[in-house]
Amino acid sequence: GENVEQHPSTLSVQEGDSAVIKCTYSDSASNYFPWYKQELGKGPQLIIDIRSNVGEKKDQRIAVTLNKTAKHFSLHITETQPEDSAVYFCAARSGGGADGLTFGKGTHLIIQP
Amino acid sequence: DTGVSQDPRHKITKRGQNVTFRCDPISEHNRLYWYRQTLGQGPEFLTYFQNEAQLEKSRLLSDRFSAERPKGSFSTLEIQRTEQGDSAMYLCASSLAHGNSPLHFGNGTRLTVT
Repeated sequence: GENVEQHPSTLSVQEGDSAVIKCTYSDSASNYFPWYKQELGKGPQLIIDIRSNVGEKKDQRIAVTLNKTAKHFSLHITETQPEDSAVYFCAARSGGGADGLTFGKGTHLIIQP
Repeated sequence: DTGVSQDPRHKITKRGQNVTFRCDPISEHNRLYWYRQTLGQGPEFLTYFQNEAQLEKSRLLSDRFSAERPKGSFSTLEIQRTEQGDSAMYLCASSLAHGNSPLHFGNGTRLTVT
């Protein structure tokens, strides 16, 4: 089955700086890669996603890049703000018929004022 | 769009008891998923339905777990003879059935088995 590795587990950045979270996946058939933000006591909230036929996608301060050859994808957050503090999860969906997402273990992003 | 609703938010039970959780998906979504999340980990896939049909089950879903979606709308997840290792957040998500439609999660049911 699919295996998703996520780094770092904790990331502390100064407010206004950029944050980058990286993930690798194992199944070359995976074709969908969402990113979720989870705040304390809440369920994961989708913030951006990318499909395997696209190399990069941007939505305001958030961007995701995908390198299919290397089987890795990254989340970039620019001009970080205090409300960006949360746990971020990457995930991958295999194209082999299995429909469930496989998640990474999460990155706790801390924005220092 | 009221989002995915889960009930109860919290459940404390004694080992050996049975528990049942409910999930109401976004109304036009015909796919419904159950995930389990333990502290410091990402959600782990348990099972999913398309309409009333249960199409996939993870190896994590032991015989003590059963999920239903009898009318293709709300779903229930039952855990029989609970064990302390069942303590976790149980998350429900829903999506449309076409292509890689994004999953929308509820806020989960936190289960504590004492």
